[in-house]
Amino acid sequence: EAQVTQNPRYLITVTGKKLTVTCSQNMNHEYMSWYRQDPGLGLRQIYYSMNVEVTDKGDVPEGYKVSRKEKRNFPLILESPSPNQTSLYFCASSSLALGTDGYTFGSGTRLTVV
Amino acid sequence: KNQVEQSPQSLIILEGKNCTLQCNYTVSPFSNLRWYKQDTGRGPVSLTIMTFSENTKSNGRYTATLDADTKQSSLHITASQLSDSASYICVVSARNNNDMRFGAGTRLTVKP
Repeated sequence: EAQVTQNPRYLITVTGKKLTVTCSQNMNHEYMSWYRQDPGLGLRQIYYSMNVEVTDKGDVPEGYKVSRKEKRNFPLILESPSPNQTSLYFCASSSLALGTDGYTFGSGTRLTVV
Repeated sequence: KNQVEQSPQSLIILEGKNCTLQCNYTVSPFSNLRWYKQDTGRGPVSLTIMTFSENTKSNGRYTATLDADTKQSSLHITASQLSDSASYICVVSARNNNDMRFGAGTRLTVKP
């Protein structure tokens, strides 16, 4: 089944403790992206990647890092989480070919930083 | 700044009724517009995609319209079901295809 898999689904951590949210897709998509979703604000892009070893900042990159060492994986790293990073996070992937059906989203990771 | 505005913010309807959700955008140059359905706590799932030349597209009980001149889109849901309760998100792409702008969504609740 074509899918984007995020782990963990739920995470509670303390301020300053480094964490990684994993994202993996099995569709051979070139493009992968991380979003955070907060009430009333919709989805905001954190980082995206057009291909292996190519990453770029989205609209809200501060406090986050990403890497794209393999095509299928795009982990999101919070080196020193803070409470304002409490949010619902989504990973998404898509083909770069025009006319495709858009993003496939993961099921989300609900992060709470206390 | 490219923006996508959706209305209403939330909507409650009775099962079996129809409803229409609105999306206005300023994204330019326009490439395509997608409507996504997002169940609570889940990732968004694509319902329709429309390009500049298309002004209506249906997916079962969902019908999307696009007026590229006025930069407006609507999503019409016919004969609503309880399972239609979700957030509906309008996403507009600029012509480089990966600059996607998300609306804040409309939260639809269908009551029995």
